[in-house]
Amino acid sequence: AQKVTQAQTEISVVEKEDVTLDCVYETRDTTYYLFWYKQPPSGELVFLIRRNSFDEQNEISGRYSWNFQKSTSSFNFTITASQVVDSAVYFCALSEGYSGGGADGLTFGKGTHLIIQP
Amino acid sequence: DTAVSQTPKYLVTQMGNDKSIKCEQNLGHDTMYWYKQDSKKFLKIMFSYNNKELIINETVPNRFSPKSPDKAHLNLHINSLELGDSAVYFCASSRQGASGNTIYFGEGSWLTVV
Repeated sequence: AQKVTQAQTEISVVEKEDVTLDCVYETRDTTYYLFWYKQPPSGELVFLIRRNSFDEQNEISGRYSWNFQKSTSSFNFTITASQVVDSAVYFCALSEGYSGGGADGLTFGKGTHLIIQP
Repeated sequence: DTAVSQTPKYLVTQMGNDKSIKCEQNLGHDTMYWYKQDSKKFLKIMFSYNNKELIINETVPNRFSPKSPDKAHLNLHINSLELGDSAVYFCASSRQGASGNTIYFGEGSWLTVV
């Protein structure tokens, strides 16, 4: 069975600090996809990144970066020089590969509430 | 234009009532989903449809019935509402499932049962 663990329920930092959100996953499939979503106070779910299991390259997008390590089954998310607008709940999610296609759906972690203090 | 739109955004209703939440996507996707987010923010899939066919039906009470009239719509009907049904319900869509494809979410429907 697939599982996603976000051990940090809440993180509070002062603006401009760097912060890393941890995500550990479990899956028996060799093909799978990992996602991060942001849920700001307004409530919508905003897609941030998708990574497949065959691509372990780290990715950087502006102040956001992601570190994917299959050896430790982790897909961590770092925000550099955090800003108040980064305050949100961040969800890591997993989708296992399905060779027949179809609607797999996502297994979410419980989320990390990130608070950026001015 | 909103890619995945769901209505209503807010719904307050009494126990025992029947209500529906509508969802439409204009992304040309063939797979749609309903997710439930509880008071602790935990997100869990309820249903998924691929080309109007039910694919995933998690452990959800029979009072919840999804209906997909076409690939662009997936509505959620709830009978005999209970207090525990209070949650945020998210509609979502993707192309041929989440594998390799991004799931895009609607803005959520806040359901409060009193």
